[in-house]
Amino acid sequence: AQKVTQAQTEISVVEKEDVTLDCVYETRDTTYYLFWYKQPPSGELVFLIRRNSFDEQNEISGRYSWNFQKSTSSFNFTITASQVVDSAVYFCALKSHGNTGKLIFGQGTTLQVKP
Amino acid sequence: EAGVVQSPRYKIIEKKQPVAFWCNPISGHNTLYWYLQNLGQGPELLIRYENEEAVDDSQLPKDRFSAERLKGVDSTLKIQPAELGDSAVYLCASSLEGRGPYNEQFFGPGTRLTVL
Repeated sequence: AQKVTQAQTEISVVEKEDVTLDCVYETRDTTYYLFWYKQPPSGELVFLIRRNSFDEQNEISGRYSWNFQKSTSSFNFTITASQVVDSAVYFCALKSHGNTGKLIFGQGTTLQVKP
Repeated sequence: EAGVVQSPRYKIIEKKQPVAFWCNPISGHNTLYWYLQNLGQGPELLIRYENEEAVDDSQLPKDRFSAERLKGVDSTLKIQPAELGDSAVYLCASSLEGRGPYNEQFFGPGTRLTVL
């Protein structure tokens, strides 16, 4: 069975602090894809990043960085120097290669960045 | 380029009433998804269309939910009759499948349904 676990329900930080959102996944597939989405108060899920199971290189995009470790089945997301605009719910998701396109989401982590 | 459009954004109805949600995907996207998002949870797939065909509706409660995607573009999701437990956000997403092993799904803003 496939499963995504985001153990942190809510995180509150002060602006300019760094924050890491954890994501642990379960799958028996050898090829799969991992995603992070941001859901601001407006409700629309915004795609942030996709990672293939065969590519364990970490990625940095501006203040965002992602740490993918197959050995621990984790795909963590770090925001450096957080800003108030980063306040949102963040979802980690898993998709198997060749399946119906179905995304398996975690329950989400609510991030509140205080000024 | 316009994103995924959904309407209405909010809907309040009494239980046992019917309700319908509409979705217009990104132009050219052949695959359309309906997801259900309960409060404090991640979205869960209800149904997936490839063009006009529903290829995965295993999670759709067919006794009261129905969906259609006429002409392979717009889609409508219907609930009849609605129950209190149907209160949630209904998200529509679309993607262009078939040109690679994976493709991002782009989401609409959702319809927030409240059943009283």
